[in-house]
Amino acid sequence: EAGVAQSPRYKIIEKRQSVAFWCNPISGHATLYWYQQILGQGPKLLIQFQNNGVVDDSQLPKDRFSAERLKGVDSTLKIQPAKLEDSAVYLCASSLVAQDTQYFGPGTRLTVL
Amino acid sequence: GIQVEQSPPDLILQEGANSTLRCNFSDSVNNLQWFHQNPWGQLINLFYIPSGTKQNGRLSATTVATERYSLLYISSSQTTDSGVYFCAVLPTSGTYKYIFGTGTRLKVLA
Repeated sequence: EAGVAQSPRYKIIEKRQSVAFWCNPISGHATLYWYQQILGQGPKLLIQFQNNGVVDDSQLPKDRFSAERLKGVDSTLKIQPAKLEDSAVYLCASSLVAQDTQYFGPGTRLTVL
Repeated sequence: GIQVEQSPPDLILQEGANSTLRCNFSDSVNNLQWFHQNPWGQLINLFYIPSGTKQNGRLSATTVATERYSLLYISSSQTTDSGVYFCAVLPTSGTYKYIFGTGTRLKVLA
């Protein structure tokens, strides 16, 4: 079974530019998560989808971050405009249902200069 | 909100040694997972363990939900065990959102 796919793996941008990340979850997984992991810290949930509906986005900085999960499969996370403090690894994960085991993708390492 | 603390924060072992990692949480939880983040950043699920004990090869985990802690045991450690170990808990109250602990950074020396 294929795992969670993410692209790109690395991205370097300048502050105030925009960037988008893509995630393809494990087939059949209804729940999809986007996490932000700053160096030296544990992952922090940004947004959680159940199929194509948002379950929790309480920690998503909505003035600059947006995410969508069209058709309840793939998802994109966008940052516009980026700030220096957005430098982090962005992890996508999926699970069969909300409380189930989570499977993580390889992550996208974002550097904002 | 719930606090999730892991100890020790850093651990250095000689290959072949055993170790115990601890995860304490400040409120009741419905679920708990242990993850290993390898040096390349990939997070791998080790255990899904809301209560009781589970074993998988050289690794085992025990969660005592009533006392609000979980333990991860690593026996006969190998250099490939190096990385950061996280526990993540799903609080009983609130939304279905896992909260990750502070992590234990493990380095196993050959």
